[in-house]
Amino acid sequence: DIQMTQSPSSLSASVGDRVTITCRASQGIGGWLAWYQQKPERAPKSLIYATSNLQSGVPSRFSGSGSGTDFTLTISSLQPEDFATYYCQQYGSYPLTFGGGTKVETK
Amino acid sequence: EVQLVESGGDLVQPGGSLRLSCAASGFTFSDHYMDWVRQAPGKGLEWVGRTRNKPNGYTTEYAASVKGRFTISRDDSKNALYLQMNSLKTDDTAVYHCARGGGSSPYYMDVWGKGTTVTVSS
Repeated sequence: DIQMTQSPSSLSASVGDRVTITCRASQGIGGWLAWYQQKPERAPKSLIYATSNLQSGVPSRFSGSGSGTDFTLTISSLQPEDFATYYCQQYGSYPLTFGGGTKVETK
Repeated sequence: EVQLVESGGDLVQPGGSLRLSCAASGFTFSDHYMDWVRQAPGKGLEWVGRTRNKPNGYTTEYAASVKGRFTISRDDSKNALYLQMNSLKTDDTAVYHCARGGGSSPYYMDVWGKGTTVTVSS
C-alpha cells in the first residue's frame, strides 16, 4: 500500500497569510494526487486533482504542485472560510489512501 | 444540482449487519464509478471501497480492513449505491460518506455526501 504523509498535522495562521501544506507518498504516484477540504460536520470538498488542476468553482488562491513523491497545497492568502482540515489522497493505485490531515486554525 | 444523500446509519451490536444507501441525483449515475469513504470519530478519512460502472463490469475494490465483510453494490435504475456491512466490529464505528468518481481515469472523488453515522457497540 502507498502511505501518504502530510505535514504539518496542524498549523496556526492569520487571515491574509500564505499557507503551505506538504504531502509525501511512500512511492511514486504518477501525479495522481488530490486535495480535499473538510469543515466540521460537513462533507469533504474537492479542491485539486491530478496534482495541480483546480476543481470547478474553487477559488484561485488555492494551488497545487509537485511531482514524484512530494506534493504541495498552497493557499496564497488565507481567508476566513479557509479554516478547515485538508487531506491529500493518492488515487493512482488500490487501495486508495489519504494523508492524515492538516488542521488549519486561527492564530 | 449534483447531490449524494446517504441513509441507513444506526446503532448496531458487534457481529451485526447493516445496509447503507446513497441516493444520487443531478447527474447520470450510471456513467460513474462510486466510492464509500469513512471517518471514525476524531480521525481522518479512510477509503472503504469502490464500484466501477457497467462498461467496466460493475467490478469492485475494497480496503483490506473490510474485505470479506463489506459488499458494495449499485442499482443504476434507481440511482442508488449500497454498502452491505456484515460482521461489524467496534472499529467500524464511523461516519460513512459516498462519493462520486470524477474526472477521467483514474478517478478522484469530485462530489461527496454529508454521510451517515454507524455506531457499533454493545
